[in-house]
Amino acid sequence: GQQLNQSPQSMFIQEGEDVSMNCTSSSIFNTWLWYKQEPGEGPVLLIALYKAGELTSNGRLTAQFGITRKDSFLNISASIPSDVGIYFCAGQLGGAQKLVFGQGTRLTINP
Amino acid sequence: ETGVTQSPTHLIKTRGQQVTLRCSSQSGHNTVSWYQQALGQGPQFIFQYYREEENGRGNFPPRFSGLQFPNYSSELNVNALELDDSALYLCASSLDSIYGYTFGSGTRLTVV
Repeated sequence: GQQLNQSPQSMFIQEGEDVSMNCTSSSIFNTWLWYKQEPGEGPVLLIALYKAGELTSNGRLTAQFGITRKDSFLNISASIPSDVGIYFCAGQLGGAQKLVFGQGTRLTINP
Repeated sequence: ETGVTQSPTHLIKTRGQQVTLRCSSQSGHNTVSWYQQALGQGPQFIFQYYREEENGRGNFPPRFSGLQFPNYSSELNVNALELDDSALYLCASSLDSIYGYTFGSGTRLTVV
């Protein structure tokens, strides 16, 4: 079935550093979503992208919907300890219902 | 505005048994989707219900079934449990499946 390739799988950074992660697909999506999941919780929506080329920010988070509609990236600036967690990208086709998730990027921050 | 609530939070079942998981959707949401998340993986789509009808299904066998009720709450039923069914089961609700999904905290199912 459809799969999203998310990279890197894990990141170990120092507090205050910037973070960049991306997601690629062999299929086109009409919506890209970025979620964060913490232990014992469900994914929480961070940013939603609805148009190719769209660049959207949410505080220190910035995400872009790739022009080809087959990729997206998420940047986190000036990381803080509460940014720790697993970040998932998800794609959704127009008119379809399901979200297709990547494998996740586990972010660890050293204070 | 209440979020998505799932019950129970944890469950241990024996191989071959049947299990029912429950989900109350966020107020105003008419679409409920269920996902299975194995350890260390991203969530995998099981199926979705829209206004009490199944509206899309992932690559899961028929022993995974569901219901949506008039108040838009939902159940996931799994028959003949297998060890590989051990996972976090997530429920997500949305309005018309186009405005983003709100996830519950999940039910951790362990099959022994």
